[in-house]
Amino acid sequence: DAKTTQPPSMDCAEGRAANLPCNHSTISGNEYVYWYRQIHSQGPQYIIHGLKNNETNEMASLIITEDRKSSTLILPHATLRDTAVYYCIVKGGSEKLVFGKGTKLTVNP
Amino acid sequence: GAVVSQHPSRVICKSGTSVKIECRSLDFQATTMFWYRQFPKQSLMLMATSNEGSKATYEQGVEKDKFLINHASLTLSTLTVTSAHPEDSSFYICSAVEGRGAYNEQFFGPGTRLTVL
Repeated sequence: DAKTTQPPSMDCAEGRAANLPCNHSTISGNEYVYWYRQIHSQGPQYIIHGLKNNETNEMASLIITEDRKSSTLILPHATLRDTAVYYCIVKGGSEKLVFGKGTKLTVNP
Repeated sequence: GAVVSQHPSRVICKSGTSVKIECRSLDFQATTMFWYRQFPKQSLMLMATSNEGSKATYEQGVEKDKFLINHASLTLSTLTVTSAHPEDSSFYICSAVEGRGAYNEQFFGPGTRLTVL
C-alpha cells in the first residue's frame, strides 16, 4: 500500500503557482520523498526527490517539513501542459516505487 | 534525463495469442527494470522486478507463467503476455534504474497499450 495521502484533485490558474500537498506521517529515516507526474496516456515523468532539505530544480521545488511528515510540490508558474496526475511516493532502499492514487491537477486558462 | 523506450506503443491482438513488449534503456545500462500495469482511471500497479541475468521477481497475485519476463541484457527487458484474454487489455509501462545505487532515479518508458479482442 502507498504510504502517502494526497488530495484527489486540484485546480490552478495558468501562470499561478501550483502547490500540491502530500502527507507521509509514517515516513522512516532512510526514506526519500519522490514526486512523479503522469500526463494522460504517457509513462510517468520524474520531477524531483528529497530527504529532508528543500530541493529545487528546473521543473519544481520540493518543500519538506522539519518533522518530514508532509511535503509540498511547488510548480512556480503552472502552464496548461502541467495538467497531469501527480504522485508523491515515499521510497527507501528497496528501489520499488509504489504508486498511490495521486492528485489530478488541472491547470485552467 | 535518461531515455527508456518501449515497443510497440500499441498492439491489438486476438484472444489466445501471445504478445511481446520490449523495454530498452537507450543511453544507460539498467541492471534493474520494472514492469507496471495500469487500467483506465487507476494508478500504476507494479507487476514484477526484472534483474539482468536472473529470474524476475513477481508481485503477489501476478501469474509468472502468464507474464513472462526476460532481462537478457543490461539494456533490454521483455514482457510476454501469453494466451492473452480481453481482461489483459491494459496500459503496460516499464521503467529502468540507472546504476546500482538504491536511491538512483527510475526512468519510465512511454507505455504500451494492449487491446485483446
